[in-house]
Amino acid sequence: EAGVAQSPRYKIIEKRQSVAFWCNPISGHATLYWYQQILGQGPKLLIQFQNNGVVDDSQLPKDRFSAERLKGVDSTLKIQPAKLEDSAVYLCASSLNQFQGRTEAFFGQGTRLTVV
Amino acid sequence: AQRVTQPEKLLSVFKGAPVELKCNYSYSGSPELFWYVQYSRQRLQLLLRHISRESIKGFTADLNKGETSFHLKKPFAQEEDSAMYYCALRAGSYQLTFGKGTKLSVIP
Repeated sequence: EAGVAQSPRYKIIEKRQSVAFWCNPISGHATLYWYQQILGQGPKLLIQFQNNGVVDDSQLPKDRFSAERLKGVDSTLKIQPAKLEDSAVYLCASSLNQFQGRTEAFFGQGTRLTVV
Repeated sequence: AQRVTQPEKLLSVFKGAPVELKCNYSYSGSPELFWYVQYSRQRLQLLLRHISRESIKGFTADLNKGETSFHLKKPFAQEEDSAMYYCALRAGSYQLTFGKGTKLSVIP
């Protein structure tokens, strides 16, 4: 089966600019996650969707970050305006349905964001 | 709140030597524990989970609720085991929390 697709793979922007990342999960996966991975650290959950509803966005900096999953399939994560400390790899992952015990998360290749 | 601790940032072992990657967690309920691995230039992928009690690529991990640990072990390290290893915990039906990772380097 096709894996989780993310684009772009790399992005360089200046601080205060805006940026958007796109994720296409594995077909049929109800649960979608966005993680932020800063260099030298483990992935940190930003937001989790179950179909098109938000399950957990407690660690999402809502003053600058937003995410949506219209129609319960693809998702976009936006940062506006970006700060230097947003430089990281943004990972998208999906799982079949964690509320039914199908909890293995499959990850995309990630988008490496550099804010200068 | 749940937390995952991987005390070693880097672990170097010789080929053929035993490997143990440490993972400790804090969570008041019944957790679900995982080990994820990331090989060079590849995506993060699941290695094993505690509920399966399986051995993948020679690796095993046992959940010790008394010590709140989920250490990853392999009796004989191979060069292809060199990678970043992340321990992760799922609390209830919610977020998957990762440790900071341990880089395993197997010396030929």
